[in-house]
Amino acid sequence: AQTVTQSQPEMSVQEAETVTLSCTYDTSESDYYLFWYKQPPSRQMILVIRQEAYKQQNATENRFSVNFQKAAKSFSLKISDSQLGDAAMYFCAYRSFRLNTDKLIFGTGTRLQVFP
Amino acid sequence: GAVVSQHPSWVICKSGTSVKIECRSLDFQATTMFWYRQFPKQSLMLMATSNEGSKATYEQGVEKDKFLINHASLTLSTLTVTSAHPEDSSFYICSARRAGVSYEQYFGPGTRLTVT
Repeated sequence: AQTVTQSQPEMSVQEAETVTLSCTYDTSESDYYLFWYKQPPSRQMILVIRQEAYKQQNATENRFSVNFQKAAKSFSLKISDSQLGDAAMYFCAYRSFRLNTDKLIFGTGTRLQVFP
Repeated sequence: GAVVSQHPSWVICKSGTSVKIECRSLDFQATTMFWYRQFPKQSLMLMATSNEGSKATYEQGVEKDKFLINHASLTLSTLTVTSAHPEDSSFYICSARRAGVSYEQYFGPGTRLTVT
């Protein structure tokens, strides 16, 4: 069974600085998706970024980028130029590439605080 | 686009009663919907996966007779918590997968259930 581990329960960063959130996962599959979701105080889950395992290039979305290390089964999220609105819970998630498996497996989350 | 709504956003019910939570995809057809449960300061735990027109698939440990899921149309899934007890108090989140798009789930804003 696949597992997702986020070893940092809480992180903090100063506004305009850069922060990296860690995520490791365990799987025997070769094809899969990895995601980072943001859950602000409103509790609405928001997709931040997606990475397909077959792609070697790291995904980027504006200030958000990932460092995907497939051999090490590591998938960290880097937030550049942090903003107050980035404060939230961040969840790393895994999804199998198999068509008959839709479910997302979430890590335990990292609470990010952003200080002015 | 890709908006998912939930109703109600919060509900208080008495122990022993049943409560229904609706999940709607507002601007797309959802062949698959997912129901998650989230306890305070914890991650999302998948309860069940529902496909339109067929029975839901429940995760191990989830009582199917207690958490009734119906996915009667491509835009609506309902979760009924039967004979609710205080330990069922939680935050329930649904997500929907757009027909034809295999990897992304769109999340609803969640429903807070309090059983007194």
